[in-house]
Amino acid sequence: DGGITQSPKYLFRKEGQNVTLSCEQNLNHDAMYWYRQDPGQGLRLIYYSQIVNDFQKGDIAEGYSVSREKKESFPLTVTSAQKNPTAFYLCASSTGLDQADTEAFFGQGTRLTVV
Amino acid sequence: KNQVEQSPQSLIILEGKNCTLQCNYTVSPFSNLRWYKQDTGRGPVSLTIMTFSENTKSNGRYTATLDADTKQSSLHITASQLSDSASYICVVSAFWYGGATNKLIFGTGTLLAVQP
Repeated sequence: DGGITQSPKYLFRKEGQNVTLSCEQNLNHDAMYWYRQDPGQGLRLIYYSQIVNDFQKGDIAEGYSVSREKKESFPLTVTSAQKNPTAFYLCASSTGLDQADTEAFFGQGTRLTVV
Repeated sequence: KNQVEQSPQSLIILEGKNCTLQCNYTVSPFSNLRWYKQDTGRGPVSLTIMTFSENTKSNGRYTATLDADTKQSSLHITASQLSDSASYICVVSAFWYGGATNKLIFGTGTLLAVQP
């Protein structure tokens, strides 16, 4: 089955710890994205990557880091510098490099909670 | 400022009834408008995508309309089913030459509950 797989589904982090969220896709998509979803707010773009070994900051990149060593994988690290990391994180990919003109497919999300 | 506003915030209807969700946007320059369905704790799934020249697009019991002049869209759900209970998100994209930041502007969603 083709799709986007995020893991884990639930993640708990102690304050001061870094954690990494996994995102893998087998759709052969060039572009991948990370969004954050908070209650009562629309999705906000954290980072995006249009090609392997290249990525760009989105609107709320502070406290996050990413890598794109393989086309299929786009992991997101939530660092201790992120002051309010509790949220639902969504990974997406699209067929084209222009996010506005191409269909975006989303993973099932990872819910991160700081304990 | 590019914004997408949805109404109502939440809605409760009885199974079998129809409903209409609204989306108003101030995004410019407009590229396309999408409706997504998001089940609780899951990722959004695309329902429809419409460009400037399209007024109506259907996907089964879901029909989206677009009025680019008034910058309004609606999503009409016919003969609702319990499985329609979800959040429905309106997403508007703007042309952006260089970079993908802010190219998709998400509404906050309408939470629909279908009761038996």
